[in-house]
Amino acid sequence: AQRVTQPEKLLSVFKGAPVELKCNYSYSGSPELFWYVQYSRQRLQLLLRHISRESIKGFTADLNKGETSFHLKKPFAQEEDSAMYYCALSAGGKLIFGQGTTLQVKP
Amino acid sequence: GAVVSQHPSRVICKSGTSVKIECRSLDFQATTMFWYRQFPKKSLMLMATSNEGSKATYEQGVEKDKFLINHASLTLSTLTVTSAHPEDSSFYICSAQTRSAYEQYFGPGTRLTVT
Repeated sequence: AQRVTQPEKLLSVFKGAPVELKCNYSYSGSPELFWYVQYSRQRLQLLLRHISRESIKGFTADLNKGETSFHLKKPFAQEEDSAMYYCALSAGGKLIFGQGTTLQVKP
Repeated sequence: GAVVSQHPSRVICKSGTSVKIECRSLDFQATTMFWYRQFPKKSLMLMATSNEGSKATYEQGVEKDKFLINHASLTLSTLTVTSAHPEDSSFYICSAQTRSAYEQYFGPGTRLTVT
């Protein structure tokens, strides 16, 4: 079955602390994974995809096929990073979203 | 950048009536549009995939006669919630994708409240 799991509903950290948002997936084929972000009162937007292997706003994510994970990391959280983060798997041209994790960065 | 709009942003309707939500790609041609439903503090659930000029493909458990989708042009898709009931109250989000691109561009969403 195709599934994306984000085990944490809420992650609360202090400004400057490291952040890791967990994402695990289940997919029989070669996975294509994304992280989407939704800031308060804004639409969902793409943050990064695993194929591009880039860092956006200081965030990185590495695909680990052995652990079927695609965790999102940032070494030093900023208050403006507070948002809802969704991990998504592309399967058959469709996106399958995880449940989402709310990141709260406290001053 | 690619912009997707939705109209209306909020709608309140009475139980039993129908509501139409529009999704437009403003500066690009969308060969595929997707409709999602988002429950409070929960994930986005894909309802259907719509390709221009063809019938929408609905996900399992989504009633195609209740949620009518039309993708008449490369810049417009509509979702009509027919005979709406309070349990249809939700946040409906569309996204659009071009044939050549992997990325889906999301609309701002429409809050539907059925009284």
